[in-house]
Amino acid sequence: GQQLNQSPQSMFIQEGEDVSMNCTSSSIFNTWLWYKQDPGEGPVLLIALYKAGELTSNGRLTAQFGITRKDSFLNISASIPSDVGIYFCAGLIQGAQKLVFGQGTRLTINP
Amino acid sequence: DGGITQSPKYLFRKEGQNVTLSCEQNLNHDAMYWYRQDPGQGLRLIYYSQIVNDFQKGDIAEGYSVSREKKESFPLTVTSAQKNPTAFYLCASSGTSGISEQFFGPGTRLTVL
Repeated sequence: GQQLNQSPQSMFIQEGEDVSMNCTSSSIFNTWLWYKQDPGEGPVLLIALYKAGELTSNGRLTAQFGITRKDSFLNISASIPSDVGIYFCAGLIQGAQKLVFGQGTRLTINP
Repeated sequence: DGGITQSPKYLFRKEGQNVTLSCEQNLNHDAMYWYRQDPGQGLRLIYYSQIVNDFQKGDIAEGYSVSREKKESFPLTVTSAQKNPTAFYLCASSGTSGISEQFFGPGTRLTVL
């Protein structure tokens, strides 16, 4: 099936640092979503993107829908301990009935 | 409060037994989904349903079965034919904003002994 390449797979940062992660694909998507999952819980939707070039913020989080429609980026500014978790990208190809998920980026923060 | 509930949170079963995982939503969403997550892995789609009394296989449907008799409910049965059933199972739903914005339940961790 379709695949999303999410990178990096894991990140170890100091509290207060900014974080960047991305997802890329060889396919064109018309929707990009970013989720965060805490250990043992279900993913929570952070940001949804619907237009190429769109830049959307949610507090300290900012996500962008790539111009080529084949990629998306998530940035977290001034990280805090509660940002720890796994971040997933997901995309919807036009006409498809199901999301494609990335493998996740595990974020660890050293206080 | 509106949301998706999955029960139980932890489930233990003996090998060879069928087990049914519950998923209920009161969001009035039309579409519901079941995903499987293995340690350190992403989400893989098992089954999905876009309307009552209709459902489709996802990417890893073998060894699983579902029903959608009510809009609010989408139970998943893990059958004895599933070779490696121990995993974290997530239910999701999506509604009028389109099938893309899926909202997840808290998950059920199934351990087969």
